[in-house]
Amino acid sequence: QPVLTQPPSASASLGASVTLTCTLSSGYSNYKVDWYQQRPGKGPRFVMRVGTGGIVGSKGDGIPDRFSVLGSGLNRYLTIKNIQEEDESDYHCGADHGSGSNFAWVFGGGTKLTVL
Amino acid sequence: QVQLVQSGAEVKKPGSSVKVSCKASGGTFSSYAISWVRQAPGQGLEWMGGIIPIFGTANYAQKFQGRVTITTDESTSTAYMELSSLRSEDTAVYYCAQTGDSAYWGQGTLVTVSS
Repeated sequence: QPVLTQPPSASASLGASVTLTCTLSSGYSNYKVDWYQQRPGKGPRFVMRVGTGGIVGSKGDGIPDRFSVLGSGLNRYLTIKNIQEEDESDYHCGADHGSGSNFAWVFGGGTKLTVL
Repeated sequence: QVQLVQSGAEVKKPGSSVKVSCKASGGTFSSYAISWVRQAPGQGLEWMGGIIPIFGTANYAQKFQGRVTITTDESTSTAYMELSSLRSEDTAVYYCAQTGDSAYWGQGTLVTVSS
């Protein structure tokens, strides 16, 4: 199964931009990855899905246009522009690696984004 | 708009079992995968297992094989997760999630294992 690697922390100043990275293990460059936002004390919230061609499908409900994604090789990126205080969250990436009637999911370790 | 509503918090003794429910509304229940994911205090997300109701057979993470059972009741659009032989390390928030073209999460259920 794929392994998803995320840096444990990131920070950005209010109004700035930040790019978070989720790296797939070797051999899984064709995999799509979901990004999830988890605000303090809350459950995860779907942001969007990304493959090598960019966004797959639609953004999650209420996700602002400031959020965008890109995929390249083994990396899946989430960029947040004009960062706001409410963007301070844990960001998790996850991938479906099941086949047929079997569903299987794997997550990265998450990145804690601090807004300075 | 899909909504997943989970059952309430539980406090359990070591060695016992817990069963958490997840009722779906607002979408198609049978065709999309329902997973159970847990998050221990201060930790990341950990996939426990999943099921596609129309197929009926659950798939479990190796770590939980033999200890977790995931079932669904299509008549009530409800999924269940039962975890047995509980130990203190199982203290966590347990989430159900439905994935397809998008992904929807329940509000989480805190399970506390303590003697």
